[in-house]
Amino acid sequence: NAGVTQTPKFQVLKTGQSMTLQCAQDMNHNSMYWYRQDPGMGLRLIYYSASEGTTDKGEVPNGYNVSRLNKREFSLRLESAAPSQTSVYFCASTPWSGSYEQYFGPGTRLTVT
Amino acid sequence: AQSVAQPEDQVNVAEGNPLTVKCTYSVSGNPYLFWYVQYPNRGLQFLLKYITGDNLVKGSYGFEAEFNKSQTSFHLKKPSALVSDSALYFCAVRDKSGKNRDDKIIFGKGTRLHILP
Repeated sequence: NAGVTQTPKFQVLKTGQSMTLQCAQDMNHNSMYWYRQDPGMGLRLIYYSASEGTTDKGEVPNGYNVSRLNKREFSLRLESAAPSQTSVYFCASTPWSGSYEQYFGPGTRLTVT
Repeated sequence: AQSVAQPEDQVNVAEGNPLTVKCTYSVSGNPYLFWYVQYPNRGLQFLLKYITGDNLVKGSYGFEAEFNKSQTSFHLKKPSALVSDSALYFCAVRDKSGKNRDDKIIFGKGTRLHILP
């Protein structure tokens, strides 16, 4: 099992550009999550998908959109990148929303100039 | 809203000494509490959880955590630190306060643990 995979690993964008971060899991998990990690801020939830076909906002959803493409894949889109979105982005999954042990991908380091 | 606080940004411990990483929580209802670890350039890894039962919870890599309801604390401990324990540690709490009452996890800001050889 590859677990949770994320692409790309690194990305540099100019302000106003758009991009999609990809996440996939091969563990047949129902729930998936997108977080951002900033120094001194810990991890903050951007969006989550409790099950295939549903998505909901987390703590910091502004400037982002998500798509739960199928049970395996959960993508995060930045429509018009801003320097404030410079961060490390993590995708995570759990077997179901109440299982609590989250499995994390390796992260995408995004810089917006 | 549910929250956790990690009062120390960094903790330094000599190898072989016991270590404690502190966490306090603020929740309505029964707390579901967790510890995660992040090694450099990696995603987070689950260490242990407290949901109910024994106040001393054992987890991965020899770590344990003590739940203290009167002090609203959930400190992470290890009897003898290893240099390889150096990492970023996150305390976390379950949150079901959203409109759908879906289970989510709220993370603390993290404590960087340095084990000195």
